[in-house]
Order: sequence, then structure tokens, then C-alpha cells
Amino acid sequence: DAGVIQSPRHEVTEMGQEVTLRCKPISGHDYLFWYRQTMMRGLELLIYFNNNVPIDDSGMPEDRFSAKMPNASFSTLKIQPSEPRDSAVYFCASSFARGPEKLFFGSGTQLSVL
Amino acid sequence: AQSVAQPEDQVNVAEGNPLTVKCTYSVSGNPYLFWYVQYPNRGLQFLLKYITGDNLVKGSYGFEAEFNKSQTSFHLKKPSALVSDSALYFCAVRDKSGGSYIPTFGRGTSLIVHP
Repeated sequence: DAGVIQSPRHEVTEMGQEVTLRCKPISGHDYLFWYRQTMMRGLELLIYFNNNVPIDDSGMPEDRFSAKMPNASFSTLKIQPSEPRDSAVYFCASSFARGPEKLFFGSGTQLSVL
Repeated sequence: AQSVAQPEDQVNVAEGNPLTVKCTYSVSGNPYLFWYVQYPNRGLQFLLKYITGDNLVKGSYGFEAEFNKSQTSFHLKKPSALVSDSALYFCAVRDKSGGSYIPTFGRGTSLIVHP
């Protein structure tokens, strides 16, 4: 298995532009997570899905952020409009169902908003 | 509520010496505990987990962790550090008793192993 696949690896954009980050989870995993990592805040959970349904989006910083999971093999995190403070590394992770299951992380998307 | 603390932002150790990365946790019930490692420009990778049973858990790359219920700790250890162990280490906890399925991560500890 190729693991969790994220694209793009790097994204540089200007303030006000729309940004879309993509994630393909490991086949068969039924939980998908979006995290954001910054020096100031560490690793923050933004939202997670179970069987393609958003369960908890309380970590989404504001309405500019939205996430979708149209099917079991694809998810997007969108920021519109983007701001410089959104600059961070965004990780997608997936795992099997409930229990002490480990998370499998993608390599992340380094986002820079100028 | 569940939480985890990694009291050290950075740990420095000489190659060949033993290393310890500290983690303490707080949960309402009994914990599942995890350690992950993050190498530069990579995602987090699972190292080991504690579910139940033996308090000493062995994981990948020669790492081990000791669960101490009375001290609510789960410190990561390795008998002999390698330069290649230099990375960011995250402790995570999840309460077994239900509630949120989602693990809570610590802020991470940067391990630097000097040649």
C-alpha cells in the first residue's frame, strides 16, 4: 500500500486566493483526520470523518476553512480566502475503526500564504 | 477530558548514551498511550503503543516506553542513542472508557543526538 497520499507537497499562494489540499487515505480505513502543525500551536486537529461523514469540526479555525469527503478514497480541505496566518503544514491521517488503532499520516502539505 | 504533557521542548544526548523523552498524561479512566516520531519534512510515524498488560512496551527502532500508572507517565527510552534518532517525538493519549475516539497529542519534543 502506498500509504496516505497528500497533494500538493508544497503550495505557495497570495493572500485572498483559494487553496485546496487533497488527501487519499489508506484503502479500508474508515477514519480520516485533518491536522495543522505550526511552531506556535503544535499539532492541531481540525476535523475528522468516519465513513465519509464529518464527526467533529470544532477544530476548524473559522468559516474560511471547509472540508469534504465525497467518497472513501478522497478528501479535500479548502481555505477561502487564504490569509498569511494560515501558513502551516497540513497533515491528513487515516486509521481503522474504533480501538487503540494507530494513525497513519501523510507527508503533509507545506502551505505558504504571502 | 484527556490531555498529555511533554515537559521538555528539546532533549540533547550524545550518541551511544541512553535517552529518555518524558510524557505525562491525564484521563478520566484508563489510557491507551502512543508514541510517534516525525522526521524532517515527513508525517508522523507510529513507534509504539500501550494498551494493557506489561508496563514495558517495545517498539520500532529499538525504542521502548514504560507505563507508570501511579505517576501517570509514559516515558520513551532507548539504551543507546543514534544520530539518526534525531527527530521530533510526540506522545498521545486516548481514554479507554469512551468519549472521544480521537487521541490527544502532546506538543512534541525535539530530540537531538550529537555525534
